[in-house]
Amino acid sequence: KNEVEQSPQNLTAQEGEFITINCSYSVGISALHWLQQHPGGGIVSLFMLSSGKKKHGRLIATINIQEKHSSLHITASHPRDSAVYICAVSNTGNQFYFGTGTSLTVIP
Amino acid sequence: DAGITQSPRHKVTETGTPVTLRCHQTENHRYMYWYRQDPGHGLRLIHYSYGVKDTDKGEVSDGYSVSRSKTEDFLLTLESATSSQTSVYFCASRDLNTDTQYFGPGTRLTVL
Repeated sequence: KNEVEQSPQNLTAQEGEFITINCSYSVGISALHWLQQHPGGGIVSLFMLSSGKKKHGRLIATINIQEKHSSLHITASHPRDSAVYICAVSNTGNQFYFGTGTSLTVIP
Repeated sequence: DAGITQSPRHKVTETGTPVTLRCHQTENHRYMYWYRQDPGHGLRLIHYSYGVKDTDKGEVSDGYSVSRSKTEDFLLTLESATSSQTSVYFCASRDLNTDTQYFGPGTRLTVL
């Protein structure tokens, strides 16, 4: 049983398309995180959310605490957005739980 | 970005040998984590530390030990490496003010 589930596992889009990646979780959380992992392995944090919505450039992250669901949206997708996007949740127990990631490929 | 480095970046070793991976951070973060990443699995927690000499186990701690003698350094030791420990290992430190983790570049370990 995974505490964090992501969908889809793999996603291919044409450049310029609007992209949505979904994350559901089953545990109590203090915050939800979206991470990006590029080919070659480096992992960077994109967003930390405890409620509502955040926007950074073409990326938008939303969370619905009642439904235990979050979405990551990418507007006007670009080939450089190709990466694995990972959803993670943190709790007051100082631990993080990670989804298995969504592999996104944006084709020019 | 927090300055967090890992060494070595790549290592090939033989079954039964001890291996130590090092994580170094320059941000004075109290919390540090060791994860392994394997195909089909999300990042899985091996051990974490919440201060100097304060550590606790994660979900996949068997066969691993850790030490934290200084705030900036967190060591992961495989007592006797096995092929099942072939993986990519990531270290992270956590900024409690923003609840954000900063990841090292990863260490690719192959146990033959």
